[in-house]
Amino acid sequence: GAVVSQHPSWVICKSGTSVKIECRSLDFQATTMFWYRQFPKQSLMLMATSNEGSKATYEQGVEKDKFLINHASLTLSTLTVTSAHPEDSSFYICSARDGDRVVNGYTFGSGTRLTVV
Amino acid sequence: GQNIDQPTEMTATEGAIVQINCTYQTSGFNGLFWYQQHAGEAPTFLSYNVLDGLEEKGRFSSFLSRSKGYSYLLLKELQMKDSASYLCAPLDSNYQLIWGAGTKLIIKP
Repeated sequence: GAVVSQHPSWVICKSGTSVKIECRSLDFQATTMFWYRQFPKQSLMLMATSNEGSKATYEQGVEKDKFLINHASLTLSTLTVTSAHPEDSSFYICSARDGDRVVNGYTFGSGTRLTVV
Repeated sequence: GQNIDQPTEMTATEGAIVQINCTYQTSGFNGLFWYQQHAGEAPTFLSYNVLDGLEEKGRFSSFLSRSKGYSYLLLKELQMKDSASYLCAPLDSNYQLIWGAGTKLIIKP
């Protein structure tokens, strides 16, 4: 089945630094990649939707200059948290759809737990 | 607006059957997913319903009634490893998943 590889699994960084999270679709072409954030005991919150080769569409309230998304190829999308602060500490998850095959579901990466100290 | 309603928490006994209900309101509808999420992990796909009726897949079954905006996930022969959150997520007219907070299922021996 479809697999999305997400790295790193966890990262601790100092306040003010930047962190890059990668998601790769291993056996399919991810024309659309979704980036989510999840705080403890809360629902998944969509941050942005990215389509290969075009600018990401950000949800209301998400700062596009702080959360940089690049989807340069059909198999790779990256999320960079710039100038991270403790309130950015969260679980970040990417998800991809295999083209138009909705019936196969949206495959999730394993998630990245970010802790900003 | 768009809304998902699921019980916050349910408790069941190992070996038993449990049904997790979900009602939804979305702008358009392109099917509904059920995902399982263990604590600290990403969601994993369980089922997708786009037509009314019951879809059975091993110990798990999912039902959909589009006219009622209602779905349920049925888990049989419960195992301790089934302790997790179960997320009902309909697809709206833009093929965007709409997420609720999910149902935390606790399995007791």
